[in-house]
Amino acid sequence: SYELTQPPSVSVSPGQTASITCSGHKLGDKDASWYQQKPGQSPVLVIYQDYKRPSGIPERFSGSNSGSTATLTISGTQAMDEADYYCQAWDGTPNYVFGTGTRVTVL
Amino acid sequence: QVTLKESGPALVKPTQTLTLTCTFSGFSLSTSKMRVSWLRQPPGKALEWLARIDWDDDKFYSTSLKTRLTISKDTSKNQVVLTMINMDPVDTATYYCARMASSDAFDIWGQGTMVTVSS
Repeated sequence: SYELTQPPSVSVSPGQTASITCSGHKLGDKDASWYQQKPGQSPVLVIYQDYKRPSGIPERFSGSNSGSTATLTISGTQAMDEADYYCQAWDGTPNYVFGTGTRVTVL
Repeated sequence: QVTLKESGPALVKPTQTLTLTCTFSGFSLSTSKMRVSWLRQPPGKALEWLARIDWDDDKFYSTSLKTRLTISKDTSKNQVVLTMINMDPVDTATYYCARMASSDAFDIWGQGTMVTVSS
């Protein structure tokens, strides 16, 4: 079965850039999405189709996807960005696969 | 404004059947390319996709759970129903429904409903 791997945690200082990676076989050939989930809340879509931002998502969130790695970048990280982040892709069967999740801590 | 809300029992016994209802507003599941999925998240764990139903009544299921799942819709009531048979304690999770519009992303999520499987 298709798997997506993320680092368990990423730490970033306020105002700095956080990069979260998501690795999967030929992931660059698929559309990658990213979700933000704060404690006790439902996930929120922050990036879809590799780099597109839904309405209402701040410009500091950006995405890229190439080769076997998709990356979510948070520029000028704010305290409110502290959350768990999940990548997601469709493996074509169709199964929608989620990554293992990354906890972003703003120190 | 698009909203989705899950409802169903908070507690089920092992071997029982779980029935969850997703009631939505702000969009129609008869609109071309519109889809609704069910997903779940065990406590402290990652998200898992379960099933999807499309505007044209096509249905898709997780490969690992397809023998236990049935998804259906009532367009007139703006509802999508998921049934899962033979519940087990490992199925304890928060269950979400989510809309999928034009892309393969879940753009709007419900608040989730916690289901505990225990005798």
